[in-house]
Amino acid sequence: DADVTQTPRNRITKTGKRIMLECSQTKGHDRMYWYRQDPGLGLRLIYYSFDVKDINKGEISDGYSVSRQAQAKFSLSLESAIPNQTALYFCATSDLTAKGGPRNEQFFGPGTRLTVL
Amino acid sequence: QKEVEQNSGPLSVPEGAIASLNCTYSDRGSQSFFWYRQYSGKSPELIMSIYSNGDKEDGRFTAQLNKASQYVSLLIRDSQPSDSATYLCAVRKGNNNDMRFGAGTRLTVKP
Repeated sequence: DADVTQTPRNRITKTGKRIMLECSQTKGHDRMYWYRQDPGLGLRLIYYSFDVKDINKGEISDGYSVSRQAQAKFSLSLESAIPNQTALYFCATSDLTAKGGPRNEQFFGPGTRLTVL
Repeated sequence: QKEVEQNSGPLSVPEGAIASLNCTYSDRGSQSFFWYRQYSGKSPELIMSIYSNGDKEDGRFTAQLNKASQYVSLLIRDSQPSDSATYLCAVRKGNNNDMRFGAGTRLTVKP
């Protein structure tokens, strides 16, 4: 089973709709992240959370909100979707004290392709 | 100016050649540097990390860091067609800071 899972994998929606993307992890990591990827722009951080009670805005948080329901779950919401939010969304996790690995290596989920019409 | 800049490519090299991928960053306080590989339609995966000036080798991959020049590079020796992917450079200021990614360089290794 994948360590970081995202649902749904694909979603088509209409302008103005509320959308929630979900991320779950079984790695036991404290830190979770949401990114979006657009052609030519690379990965841009939307929100990140270092533990259940800690939520931080990233580069491009406007139009998005998040909820850290538990250590293993981190959801991203688009309150009123607009076409320029069409992108590939990735969830990632990391563990500051990871044994045997580089500091703060981030492990990515498979991505959610969101299209807003 | 973007915080992390990479040549978008595409970079094309013949099989067996050395592929050289470059990245510059703007924040002099950056401490951690990463190279991720992303195959088309897949998620990024970490291939190298480097924290100190100089070279770090891992198999066919060598990461090079020059903090004075704010430059980090990735060399891939004996390039294989399976190395064809987009390579993302990522930079972090500190352990409690977020990570910034470049737009990526698309590499094609031709048989």
